Amino acid sequence: NAGVTQTPKFRILKIGQSMTLQCTQDMNHNYMYWYRQDPGMGLKLIYYSVGAGITDKGEVPNGYNVSRSTTEDFPLRLELAAPSQTSVYFCASSYGIATNEKLFFGSGTQLSVL
Amino acid sequence: QKEVEQDPGPLSVPEGAIVSLNCTYSNSAFQYFMWYRQYSRKGPELLMYTYSSGNKEDGRFTAQVDKSSKYISLFIRDSQPSDSATYLCAMSITPLVFGKGTRLSVIA
Repeated sequence: NAGVTQTPKFRILKIGQSMTLQCTQDMNHNYMYWYRQDPGMGLKLIYYSVGAGITDKGEVPNGYNVSRSTTEDFPLRLELAAPSQTSVYFCASSYGIATNEKLFFGSGTQLSVL
Repeated sequence: QKEVEQDPGPLSVPEGAIVSLNCTYSNSAFQYFMWYRQYSRKGPELLMYTYSSGNKEDGRFTAQVDKSSKYISLFIRDSQPSDSATYLCAMSITPLVFGKGTRLSVIA
């Protein structure tokens, strides 16, 4: 059972470039999340989805877009990359809403914008 | 004042020591309290989960919640080098709010 799979693991972007971070889960979870983790700053929620076709903003959504066309996939799109988006990005999923449900995390994508 | 405060450390202890990790919070609406463990270059994984005030034990780990003081703790007994990781507290209404994480090193 693969769990939550993120690709790529590492990426370097130039300022102004765009890219999509891929996330897929094989646990049939309804809820999926994107977090970013900056050194010493914990996890900040970017976007989340409660099911296919439904997404909502988290704490830090500016500069990002998401879509959820299937239960399995939840890609994160960066448009016009900026140095402030240098971070480690984690995708996560849970069966129910994350108030009392265990979150399963992917292994992360380390992104540098230069 | 941030909703969840957690000392980022780093914390370095000798093998066999008792470790105490702590978080404070300001939102009385938080009902569920969790501790996630994150090894270097990995995603966090759930370690402990509690709902009510009091203690919950799981092997060498004890999670403690004091809702009256808005304070939660994670105790690690007989700490091992394999416990070296970052520990993040998390609390919820919707969605989860994470602390900054405390980086722990257990030295053999």
